[in-house]
Amino acid sequence: DAGITQSPRHKVTETGTPVTLRCHQTENHRYMYWYRQDPGHGLRLIHYSYGVKDTDKGEVSDGYSVSRSKTEDFLLTLESATSSQTSVYFCAISIGSTDTQYFGPGTRLTVL
Amino acid sequence: DAKTTQPTSMDCAEGRAANLPCNHSTISGNEYVYWYRQIHSQGPQYIIHGLKNNETNEMASLIITEDRKSSTLILPHATLRDTAVYYCIVRVAGANSKLTFGKGITLSVRP
Repeated sequence: DAGITQSPRHKVTETGTPVTLRCHQTENHRYMYWYRQDPGHGLRLIHYSYGVKDTDKGEVSDGYSVSRSKTEDFLLTLESATSSQTSVYFCAISIGSTDTQYFGPGTRLTVL
Repeated sequence: DAKTTQPTSMDCAEGRAANLPCNHSTISGNEYVYWYRQIHSQGPQYIIHGLKNNETNEMASLIITEDRKSSTLILPHATLRDTAVYYCIVRVAGANSKLTFGKGITLSVRP
């Protein structure tokens, strides 16, 4: 257990509405990540952060924004949710000399 | 490009050792071998990783061949709760290093 929580754990929303997912860590790890997991695609990196206010894009960042105003919180925002963003979202942190990534429990998002 | 090759599925009896193979014939000298697993609907769980020496922790053992072109994850006494998809991943160390999950191997532990 790497002390990662995600909220909400499940959410159903409608197309066009804004959605924010939260990832919280209980320790001061510098790197945090957001992934999405879809059948046939495995896990794909959306955005990551390497410190407060320091973020960068991953391979599937279109339609998503992130913010990190505190070390312990990394927020993922869908400004205007679309059905293609229906997915399971995982947050991760990296720890140790080889930056091993540890994952949170996930958020299942359904966009109708 | 798939950096690792794993069988699609395997099963083993509860209480017996589960040996999960992985081929990574194009591994570079600075790439580590990582194993994760994902139990249905849960987040990926880190199991173990190694560079060239065999490694053991409370969950599993990792055996890497001398040429580093293949490895085996060993769960010494499989339980029903070990039923999951297991992913073998090669990556360099570093927080910016990409973590790419392939299709993995589905391990089914039978009573």
